[in-house]
Amino acid sequence: DAKTTQPPSMDCAEGRAANLPCNHSTISGNEYVYWYRQIHSQGPQYIIHGLKNNETNEMASLIITEDRKSSTLILPHATLRDTAVYYCIVRAVTGANNLFFGTGTRLTVIP
Amino acid sequence: DAGVTQSPTHLIKTRGQHVTLRCSPISGHKSVSWYQQVLGQGPQFIFQYYEKEERGRGNFPDRFSARQFPNYSSELNVNALLLGDSALYLCASRFGPADTQYFGPGTRLTVL
Repeated sequence: DAKTTQPPSMDCAEGRAANLPCNHSTISGNEYVYWYRQIHSQGPQYIIHGLKNNETNEMASLIITEDRKSSTLILPHATLRDTAVYYCIVRAVTGANNLFFGTGTRLTVIP
Repeated sequence: DAGVTQSPTHLIKTRGQHVTLRCSPISGHKSVSWYQQVLGQGPQFIFQYYEKEERGRGNFPDRFSARQFPNYSSELNVNALLLGDSALYLCASRFGPADTQYFGPGTRLTVL
């Protein structure tokens, strides 16, 4: 079962920052927070992941609260091509642990 | 660099038939996982293989089977197809069993 809770949908104006929240209140100390997105009918695309510290890459920033029970994915300047379903997933650091997807957040970027 | 590739892109079968889906991982990746995504839901884990051995299996019937070859490519086989097997089948590869997974474009299977 998915161990994360995300809003089913969000809108964001083009050019503005998109902030996608995720609750993972039962996360354990040896679990990463992963974010993927899926544009219509394509395979999921890896975005970013983190354990404790905030992370940033060329696609997005990941902010994890100090108690690790929630996180926020930030797309700094949303474009129309960022319209997709965004999945927040917790996954153990070690072991052959596969991804358990929930229903994600459908982000619509509006012109 | 080439990403994960899957074939065929689309496939139409009838109930009771058998299907084989293929996946080639990113060069250097030794682990492959398969996922099923039905319309409106997130992907569901089916199998993981690493170094040609099965390392994990999701809650799918025995009609589903898979294997990994010495070049780390993989096949997913589904026997006695049902209408409910209609889905997007995704392959993901990673270097080792605990590393980040990268997905292919998927194979769209329609069972009539």
